[in-house]
Amino acid sequence: GAGVSQTPSNKVTEKGKYVELRCDPISGHTALYWYRQSLGQGPEFLIYFQGTGAADDSGLPNDRFFAVRPEGSVSTLKIQRTERGDSAVYLCASSALAGGDEQFFGPGTRLTVL
Amino acid sequence: KQEVTQIPAALSVPEGENLVLNCSFTDSAIYNLQWFRQDPGKGLTSLLLIQSSQREQTSGRLNASLDKSSGRSTLYIAASQPGDSATYLCAVRPNTGTASKLTFGTGTRLQVTL
Repeated sequence: GAGVSQTPSNKVTEKGKYVELRCDPISGHTALYWYRQSLGQGPEFLIYFQGTGAADDSGLPNDRFFAVRPEGSVSTLKIQRTERGDSAVYLCASSALAGGDEQFFGPGTRLTVL
Repeated sequence: KQEVTQIPAALSVPEGENLVLNCSFTDSAIYNLQWFRQDPGKGLTSLLLIQSSQREQTSGRLNASLDKSSGRSTLYIAASQPGDSATYLCAVRPNTGTASKLTFGTGTRLQVTL
């Protein structure tokens, strides 16, 4: 596609529920990143994929968070037993190379946990 | 741990003024630095990417400089316009290992008034 796309754009869920957030990177980009942005803050790194494998998942806050990229393109961020503190905008980015290439961001998914 | 600071947190200028946004980082071992723009409720738009070996990059009315040794970058916006109103974020990529995650500042919220 022309840019990084994310679905849904908004997600409202209840505490304790399971949610999946989807990211479709720019075609041909091998690196994919997930970040989380709380109100008034800069994005914080969650996980980075190079191809199908998670190259760095050091930013995942706990084991309720998990992400996959089974075919090296689309990625899904999964959150189990959601908590109110998980409410944030979840941003996805992709880049052509794993190294110093520019990261291009999607519009984000705004997650609200009631 | 890398920390990125942006000053000021908010700035209001009349249309036509030139302005400078500041970004500082604590660990000078960076691979590159990227400036982004974020409109309310939207994702991030990449403005400029400066590699660690570069001193500055220019795109239209925007000029970004990098002084890696002192841990500073500035974004200069010439002849500001109301359409420049947005939050501006800087982010650094580390030069250690294979990590490609970006560490962001909290942003400068810019308002350009008529």
